[in-house]
Amino acid sequence: DSGVTQTPKHLITATGQRVTLRCSPRSGDLSVYWYQQSLDQGLQFLIQYYNGEERAKGNILERFSAQQFPDLHSELNLSSLELGDSALYFCASSSGTGWTTNEKLFFGSGTQLSVL
Amino acid sequence: GESVGLHLPTLSVQEGDNSIINCAYSNSASDYFIWYKQESGKGPQFIIDIRSNMDKRQGQRVTVLLNKTVKHLSLQIAATQPGDSAVYFCAENIEPNNNDMRFGAGTRLTVKP
Repeated sequence: DSGVTQTPKHLITATGQRVTLRCSPRSGDLSVYWYQQSLDQGLQFLIQYYNGEERAKGNILERFSAQQFPDLHSELNLSSLELGDSALYFCASSSGTGWTTNEKLFFGSGTQLSVL
Repeated sequence: GESVGLHLPTLSVQEGDNSIINCAYSNSASDYFIWYKQESGKGPQFIIDIRSNMDKRQGQRVTVLLNKTVKHLSLQIAATQPGDSAVYFCAENIEPNNNDMRFGAGTRLTVKP
């Protein structure tokens, strides 16, 4: 068990809908990362937050947004969903700030999103 | 664009043998690399890391080798066990000032009893 909790484990929805994925980082970790894993794109970095502030942005679509709350949990919001958004979405946390390298990421078990 | 890639998508080994999983990276500025293991239904799990100022690092039954000349990373698993069966990803930190790790496509390791 990595200590990172993601809910829900599975999510089935329809095109055009909006969903929210939730992540609770390991106790004490201030950085939260979101990754998307699909069969054709592999594991893609989406966005990182540190202590409530956006720290780095990767291949995140404009239809997607995220935030980190004062209690450090994070939510990833996916809107106007398309079939191609079906993927496994992982949250990871680390104890670092994200400004330095050598920060090990601890991943949750992921949320499997299926857009029908 | 620059990316991390793997030479072999699948690898099958006999229990007890040593395994070698390879990874090519193209960004010469990457200064930090990690190997992750992902078992079915789970998130990636950290195995071992190495900084660019090193060429070898050893852990428990695992060794990572970094060859910056040819931009090649490898993961060696000694005495491979059935529990080692998983998908293995290499990841590189492409931006020195943030933790944006870019992952390779992954190699599926299957250990035959």
